[in-house]
Amino acid sequence: QVQLQESGPGLVKPSQTLSLTCTVSGGSIKSGGYYWSWIRQHPGKGLEWIGYIYYTGSTSYNPSLKSRLSISADTSKNQFSLNLSPATAADTAVYYCGRFVWSPNKYYFDFWGQGTLVTVSS
Amino acid sequence: EIVLTQSPGTLSLSPGERATLSCRASQSVSSSFLAWYQQKPGQAPRLLIYGASTRATGIPDRFTGSGSGADFTLTINSLEPEDFAVYYCQQYGSSQPITFGQGTRLEIK
Repeated sequence: QVQLQESGPGLVKPSQTLSLTCTVSGGSIKSGGYYWSWIRQHPGKGLEWIGYIYYTGSTSYNPSLKSRLSISADTSKNQFSLNLSPATAADTAVYYCGRFVWSPNKYYFDFWGQGTLVTVSS
Repeated sequence: EIVLTQSPGTLSLSPGERATLSCRASQSVSSSFLAWYQQKPGQAPRLLIYGASTRATGIPDRFTGSGSGADFTLTINSLEPEDFAVYYCQQYGSSQPITFGQGTRLEIK
């Protein structure tokens, strides 16, 4: 059973960098057919896809965040990370990491982390 | 970007009734690319349906997905108390960002 766990500061100051790491267990991020993803949910709102990374290092970002966003992976630690800079109050949300299945007739998030609340405030 | 519009925003039903949730896309979506999730308070979303109509592992058969083109439906037959939650549709596009609908809240009447 694949498990994902987000980690990082719960409080970030405006204009600083929002950084989160997702640690994957029970499976390797070097496995083909999966995009390792970040999704966020503003308080009381719906889900917003942030972006994902393939084990080759290929990335895809939400155009609305692309100019501030970087997603990277450390395959030796089986982790992938998100950096969003500069952070603003509008980035206050619960951040989830998830595994997106990408194969013929299968395009969906099958495993999610528990989510971590990040508040951007001075 | 493909916009997914879910309706109704809130659905109030009683246990045992049938729920019909709609997801309409701003342009045609391949059925392969359409999924449904259930989210309960304080929890991550859970995959229910992928490929518009295939139930994920462990999902009861009272959950049925259907539709094609730009109109998709999630039907929940004979609602159980644990089914009251928020439901999201999601689409993947090969050259488009992944998008979610805004959600339908299914509440107990």
